[in-house]
Amino acid sequence: ELKVEQNPLFLSMQEGKNYTIYCNYSTTSDRLYWYRQDPGKSLESLFVLLSNGAVKQEGRLMASLDTKARLSTLHITAAVHDLSATYFCAVDSFASGTYKYIFGTGTRLKVLA
Amino acid sequence: GAGVSQSPSNKVTEKGKDVELRCDPISGHTALYWYRQSLGQGLEFLIYFQGNSAPDKSGLPSDRFSAERTGGSVSTLTIQRTQQEDSAVYLCASSLMSYLDYYNEQFFGPGTRLTVL
Repeated sequence: ELKVEQNPLFLSMQEGKNYTIYCNYSTTSDRLYWYRQDPGKSLESLFVLLSNGAVKQEGRLMASLDTKARLSTLHITAAVHDLSATYFCAVDSFASGTYKYIFGTGTRLKVLA
Repeated sequence: GAGVSQSPSNKVTEKGKDVELRCDPISGHTALYWYRQSLGQGLEFLIYFQGNSAPDKSGLPSDRFSAERTGGSVSTLTIQRTQQEDSAVYLCASSLMSYLDYYNEQFFGPGTRLTVL
């Protein structure tokens, strides 16, 4: 069964600090996705990571993928209040004619001014 | 350009009634996906369409749930005899090509908040 785990579930951090969110998944997949969700809003695609060693950066966010360890990280550099949101990772797989798209539990990030 | 749209944005219904939720994907997107987001279950993958075909319906929570897509565009998620546990936000997403496409970036709609009293 495909499972995706994120940690931490909640993260409260000061502006200007760095932190990392971790995403572990349980089965072989070469594709990992990161999304942002603001309260009461839908999901916004942040990154699509397609291969082992992939690294993508956008502003203060950087995502990486290690398919051998089945681990992705979302690193936040010098956090600002505007980054407060819930961040989800997701993995998809296609096996035995069945397609699944599984989200992690989400990490609720609060950046304190 | 226009993104994914969903209607209604909010739906309040009584237990036992049927509801229909609509999704309009981005024009030209061939793949369409339905998800459910609730406090207790997080984000659940329900069903996907490639064109008008849904190859796998095993993600639907029960046989009260059904979905269809017509003309390779609009999709409807129908819940019959709604129950209180069906209360959730139902999200729709679309992607340009097949879910098998190597770069399967999905674009999400705003969701329909369903409340079953």
